[in-house]
Amino acid sequence: EDKVVQSPLSLVVHEGDTVTLNCSYEVTNFRSLLWYKQEKKAPTFLFMLTSSGIEKKSGRLSSILDKKELFSILNITATQTGDSAVYLCAGSILINTDKLIFGTGTRLQVFP
Amino acid sequence: DTEVTQTPKHLVMGMTNKKSLKCEQHMGHRAMYWYKQKAKKPPELMFVYSYEKLSINESVPSRFSPECPNSSLLNLHLHALQPEDSALYLCASSTRLDNEQFFGPGTRLTVL
Repeated sequence: EDKVVQSPLSLVVHEGDTVTLNCSYEVTNFRSLLWYKQEKKAPTFLFMLTSSGIEKKSGRLSSILDKKELFSILNITATQTGDSAVYLCAGSILINTDKLIFGTGTRLQVFP
Repeated sequence: DTEVTQTPKHLVMGMTNKKSLKCEQHMGHRAMYWYKQKAKKPPELMFVYSYEKLSINESVPSRFSPECPNSSLLNLHLHALQPEDSALYLCASSTRLDNEQFFGPGTRLTVL
């Protein structure tokens, strides 16, 4: 059975801290791994990773994929209160069409 | 236009009502998705349309009936729902070859 597991389930930090969110996956017909940020409503896209060892970066956020060990990490440096959200990791399967298997998410709370 | 829109934002319905949720995108994406998300849980895939044809039905009860009238529109027809169907219903779209899914803001459904 395909599954995606995220850790920790929740994280509480102070502004300025650096956090690392983990995602491991067991997904057949694996195509890519995606990270989303979900605040109150729709998940917003952060990164899509398809190749091992290549870091993707956007401002204070960065992510990397290890296809051999089947995991990915999302790093957030110099956290701000606006980073508070649920971060979802999803493995993508290519069958007849694209399908995402979501992890349960990591709830990040950043306090001033 | 780089967004997915959903209407209505909120919907309250009785168990005998018939209602529809609507999703629209004008990004030329050929894959569209319905997800159901319960509180503090990740999105769960319900249906996938690829090139206006239903390609995945994740064993969803028949009281949910999807429809894709054209490449920009996706509907979800609801009939005889149960209170446990109350959730946030998210629509997403992606290009056929790129699995980055863009999510709409969702419809928060309450079944009384």
